[in-house]
Amino acid sequence: ILNVEQSPQSLHVQEGDSTNFTCSFPSSNFYALHWYRWETAKSPEALFVMTLNGDEKKKGRISATLNTKEGYSYLYIKGSQPEDSATYLCAFNTGTASKLTFGTGTRLQVTL
Amino acid sequence: GAGVSQSPSNKVTEKGKDVELRCDPISGHTALYWYRQSLGQGLEFLIYFQGNSAPDKSGLPSDRFSAERTGGSVSTLTIQRTQQEDSAVYLCASSSPTGWNTIYFGEGSWLTVV
Repeated sequence: ILNVEQSPQSLHVQEGDSTNFTCSFPSSNFYALHWYRWETAKSPEALFVMTLNGDEKKKGRISATLNTKEGYSYLYIKGSQPEDSATYLCAFNTGTASKLTFGTGTRLQVTL
Repeated sequence: GAGVSQSPSNKVTEKGKDVELRCDPISGHTALYWYRQSLGQGLEFLIYFQGNSAPDKSGLPSDRFSAERTGGSVSTLTIQRTQQEDSAVYLCASSSPTGWNTIYFGEGSWLTVV
């Protein structure tokens, strides 16, 4: 059984704050770790895919790191904006064409 | 179309009725998933189709739920004798047979059971 855990469950920050969330996954049989952003009333959107230990990815103010040996990934948002408000999901898979297993997400709310 | 297409986008049904939700994946994608999100809950896996392999049905919550995928393309999720706890947004997603398996989601079918 694959368990993907995310923390915190929810987070409320002020505009301009920087924040980060954690995704924990089984370190055995690792293939790829995915981050998605899910805004209310929209479909989840892929942010990053990471495969190598030590990988770092960046898209604008959002970045992610990966540690496959200990089974965790961090997502960072620098200078949060209200439009960053969404649920951030991570997902893990064990090989090409294997099922993605999602965590329950971190719900971020950014207020002015 | 270019993306994953789902229909209906909204459905209100009476308790006890059957409903069918349809998903048209991205052309060429061999993997297809169904998920749902109930109010206040996270993304819940329902079923996974990959090519001609037997589907992974481990997430279906009861035998009232079933899904099929015809010709390796369009999928239908059927809920029989709907209950109020079935109210949720049902999301379909598909992915390519190559690469890291990034999946692309449809906009969902919002089901309300009254």
